[in-house]
This record gives sequence, structure tokens and C-alpha cells, in this order.
Amino acid sequence: DSGVTQTPKHLITATGQRVTLRCSPRSGDLSVYWYQQSLDQGLQFLIQYYNGEERAKGNILERFSAQQFPDLHSELNLSSLELGDSALYFCASSAWGGGHSSTDTQYFGPGTRLTVL
Amino acid sequence: LAKTTQPISMDSYEGQEVNITCSHNNIATNDYITWYQQFPSQGPRFIIQGYKTKVTNEVASLFIPADRKSSTLSLPRVSLSDTAVYYCLVGDGQAGTALIFGKGTTLSVSS
Repeated sequence: DSGVTQTPKHLITATGQRVTLRCSPRSGDLSVYWYQQSLDQGLQFLIQYYNGEERAKGNILERFSAQQFPDLHSELNLSSLELGDSALYFCASSAWGGGHSSTDTQYFGPGTRLTVL
Repeated sequence: LAKTTQPISMDSYEGQEVNITCSHNNIATNDYITWYQQFPSQGPRFIIQGYKTKVTNEVASLFIPADRKSSTLSLPRVSLSDTAVYYCLVGDGQAGTALIFGKGTTLSVSS
């Protein structure tokens, strides 16, 4: 158990709908990362938050957005869903405190499996 | 970020030692080498990280030659439960940096 929790575990919805995925980082971790894993694309970085602020963006579609709340949990919002959005969505957290430390381990949650029909 | 090359798949039997080599020809001076393990439908899990020579922990060893253009993850006496995908990542190790995953190596352990 990594200490990172994600809800829901499974989500089935229809094209055009909007869903919200939730992530609670390990206690004390300030950074949250979102990754998407589909069969043909592998693990893709989407977006990162540090202490409530967006820090880095990866291959995130404009239909997707995220935020990190004052209690450090994060939500990933996916809208106008398409069949191709079906994937496993992972959240990871790390203790990185915003300084220039040299190493940092990311701890991944169990993922949310999204199926768009 | 340095590009990495790993074998797509490997097969082994229980009790054997497994070595997975990763090539990273354009590794930079500040780059660290990190390995993650992923079981089906689970999130990746950190295994080991190193900069040079040899690093060992309770689950694996990481061998890095002097030129650092490759590295080898060594899993001693594998069991069926070591069947997973193993990812080699190379980056500047700077904390707070997103991970860039490649295709990984699928290790299949048989009895």
C-alpha cells in the first residue's frame, strides 16, 4: 500500500459525459502528479500540482483539467468524453518540497479505470 | 531527458537471477537512473535508484558501469510474483519532476 488513495476504482460512462477522478496523496506529500495509461500509449504524464499550484503540464487535452485543494487532495476532471479516453488514470505523490533536492520518489495510487462506452 | 532502450520482454524460471539491461547513450552528468516495477492494473512502484557503480537494497541491485551509458537491474532468485513490467527511467533526478516512462520490459517468470 503506497498510501495514495484514488476514487472511484472503476468508472463507466458514455461519450460526451463529464467525470471527476479524485486523489488523496500520502500524508505530508505536497506534490501530486496525474498519469494516463492506455494500451497503445503506455504511461503518459498529464499534469502536476505542487502545494495547490499547477507546476507542469504534459500531454493533457484541453477537455481535461485538474486542481489541488488546500487539504492537498487533487481532482482530475474529464469532459466531453470520447471512446479514446478509456484508460487507467494514476495519481502519484511525492514529498518534494519545492526546493532543489536531487532525488525524489513518486508513490503511485491504485488507479481509476475509466471506460467510455 | 535521456532516451532509454530496454528489451521488450524476458522470460525466466523461478529461482533464477534475472538481469535487465537498459541503454542510455546520451545520459547527462546530472542524470540519475531509476527503476520502477508495475503489476497489471496497479500503479508503478519504485524499486531502486542509482548514479554510479552499484546500489543494492532489499529487493534488487543496480549495476552502473563507469561510462554510465547503460545500467543493469538485477533481481536475485525471482519468483512467480516478480512477473511484471519493469521501467528504466533516466533523468536529472531533480525532485518535483514528472516521470517519462518508456515501454518497459515485461518479465515473465514460470515455475
